[in-house]
Amino acid sequence: DAEITQSPRHKITETGRQVTLACHQTWNHNNMFWYRQDLGHGLRLIHYSYGVQDTNKGEVSDGYSVSRSNTEDLPLTLESAASSQTSVYFCASSEFQANPDTQYFGPGTRLTVL
Amino acid sequence: AQSVTQLDSQVPVFEEAPVELRCNYSSSVSVYLFWYVQYPNQGLQLLLKYLSGSTLVKGINGFEAEFNKSQTSFHLRKPSVHISDTAEYFCAVSSVSGYSTLTFGKGTMLLVSP
Repeated sequence: DAEITQSPRHKITETGRQVTLACHQTWNHNNMFWYRQDLGHGLRLIHYSYGVQDTNKGEVSDGYSVSRSNTEDLPLTLESAASSQTSVYFCASSEFQANPDTQYFGPGTRLTVL
Repeated sequence: AQSVTQLDSQVPVFEEAPVELRCNYSSSVSVYLFWYVQYPNQGLQLLLKYLSGSTLVKGINGFEAEFNKSQTSFHLRKPSVHISDTAEYFCAVSSVSGYSTLTFGKGTMLLVSP
């Protein structure tokens, strides 16, 4: 069955370190998204991609970067981790560039920055 | 730009009772509307979506929602809840114009007790 996976599921790091969260999907979807989920804020979009070599900034992109070198993967990099980036991160993918597609979510990565 | 307001952060209810989770949206353009559910320690999954046509939309697990354009609302209902419905529910909106991303509400935690 097609799926979307995230690794690691849990990560503890220190302030200032570079961290990369992996997202891999086997749906062969063109679109991929990264969100962060914080209590009282719901899900907020960090970055997204509509295809290979395409990346776009979302609502809360400062301090994060992504690159898309193939269809299956969209790694999220925190250039210099900050305590404010402690959160649960979700990756999602969808099929169509235009609406009304459905997004399929991964299980999430819980990141703690000390 | 769009925004979504979920009026209740938490809704406690007894098993077999009916429930309504409220969602209001704001947008200057026509929208598509979604409800996603997140079970504990899992990613989000689509519950139902309104694209066009009938304003009453039926989803999985016995849930339904009604689109009311004049009141800019998309409330979620279930006539009889089960313990297994305990989860967080997110309302989301995207614009009809295409190449648009999802904007999520802050979520409503549904707590079903025996």
